[in-house]
Amino acid sequence: DAGVIQSPRHEVTEMGQEVTLRCKPISGHDYLFWYRQTMMRGLELLIYFNNNVPIDDSGMPEDRFSAKMPNASFSTLKIQPSEPRDSAVYFCASSLGSSQTTDTQYFGPGTRLTVL
Amino acid sequence: TQLLEQSPQFLSIQEGENLTVYCNSSSVFSSLQWYRQEPGEGPVLLVTVVTGGEVKKLKRLTFQFGDARKDSSLHITAAQPGDTGLYLCAGVEQAGTALIFGKGTTLSVSS
Repeated sequence: DAGVIQSPRHEVTEMGQEVTLRCKPISGHDYLFWYRQTMMRGLELLIYFNNNVPIDDSGMPEDRFSAKMPNASFSTLKIQPSEPRDSAVYFCASSLGSSQTTDTQYFGPGTRLTVL
Repeated sequence: TQLLEQSPQFLSIQEGENLTVYCNSSSVFSSLQWYRQEPGEGPVLLVTVVTGGEVKKLKRLTFQFGDARKDSSLHITAAQPGDTGLYLCAGVEQAGTALIFGKGTTLSVSS
């Protein structure tokens, strides 16, 4: 299994531009999570999906952020317009179920976003 | 205020030394996990503890969940350069809620 795949691995953009991050979860996993990691705040959950349906988006920082999961094998996280404070590493993770006790989350390698 | 406080933030030691890192909270967690993250990669789950006082061992790593389920520790015996990385603890306050991560302890083991 290839694991969780994220693209691009690095993204450098200018303030005001639209940014789209992509994720392919592990086949057969019903849950998909988007996280953001910064030195200041650590790893934070942004949103997660169950069977392609958004379940909890309370971690999405503001309306500039949106996430979609059009099918079981693909999800996007979009930032429009981007701002320098959005610079971070964005991780996608997937799991078979939602139990944090029994269902391991498998993380992708992350996308390092730099907004100038 | 961070719900899960990890200490120390940074730790630099020589190969062969022992070390302990801590994860503390004022909240009770139904379960707690430890992850290791290497540069340029995502976190990888090491262990999950669910019972107060539980101790789990993974080769040279020993994980303990506090009796009151508010804290946890990770002890590494005879550290090796391959142990270098960011160690994250993460907890679930109650079933069905999101996993909450600490900021991590960055460990550097030199040979």
